[in-house]
Amino acid sequence: RKEVEQDPGPFNVPEGATVAFNCTYSNSASQSFFWYRQDCRKEPKLLMSVYSSGNEDGRFTAQLNRASQYISLLIRDSKLSDSATYLCVANAGNNRKLIWGLGTSLAVNP
Amino acid sequence: DGGITQSPKYLFRKEGQNVTLSCEQNLNHDAMYWYRQDPGQGLRLIYYSQIVNDFQKGDIAEGYSVSREKKESFPLTVTSAQKNPTAFYLCASSLGGSYNEQFFGPGTRLTVL
Repeated sequence: RKEVEQDPGPFNVPEGATVAFNCTYSNSASQSFFWYRQDCRKEPKLLMSVYSSGNEDGRFTAQLNRASQYISLLIRDSKLSDSATYLCVANAGNNRKLIWGLGTSLAVNP
Repeated sequence: DGGITQSPKYLFRKEGQNVTLSCEQNLNHDAMYWYRQDPGQGLRLIYYSQIVNDFQKGDIAEGYSVSREKKESFPLTVTSAQKNPTAFYLCASSLGGSYNEQFFGPGTRLTVL
C-alpha cells in the first residue's frame, strides 16, 4: 500500500462545479498534512495546510479525518484556472520528511 | 523579493559528466531539500539538510551528492554514477523545527544526452 494514496483522475468538470478529492495516508503517526497544486511543468505550490478542525480558504475547504486516516479537498465554483494536479502530502511521523501522493489531475472545462 | 532560486532552468549534459544544480534561498529557512520528479511520478526525496554543515540521505541518494556550507545554499551534484539522471529537479526549503510546509524553487530540467 502506498503511504499516501490519491485517485489519479483525471477529473473533468464544468466551470462552476463543485469537486472533491480524497487522499488516504498509512502512517498513523503523521501530524502535518497539506494540499499543494502543481501546474504542468512547474513547481508545486502550497495550497493549504490541513488542520484537525478543518480549514477554509475562499472556495477551498480541507478536512482531516484521523480515525479513518484520510484528507479531503473541496473546491467550490470551479474556475478554468483551477485546472492543475493536486498533491496530497503528509509528514512521515516525527521526522521532518514529507510523503507525497502522486496527485489528482483536475481539468475544468468551459 | 524573498524566495528560492534554482539555476539553470534547463540543462543539457553528455552522459558521463558530473553536473551541479544550484539552489539558493533568502527566506532564512533552516531546512532545505532536493527532490526528483519523473513524468507521471510523485516527488522523490534525494537529500535534505536541517542545518548548516549537516545533511541526510533521502530515498534515492545513490549517484548524487550535496553540500550545505551556507544557510542560503544547497547545491546538488548529479554524478556519472546516477544511472537515469534525466528528470525535473526541485529544491525546497522550510523553516524547520515543527514547521513542515515546504516552499519550492522553479526547478531545473536536466537532460542527459
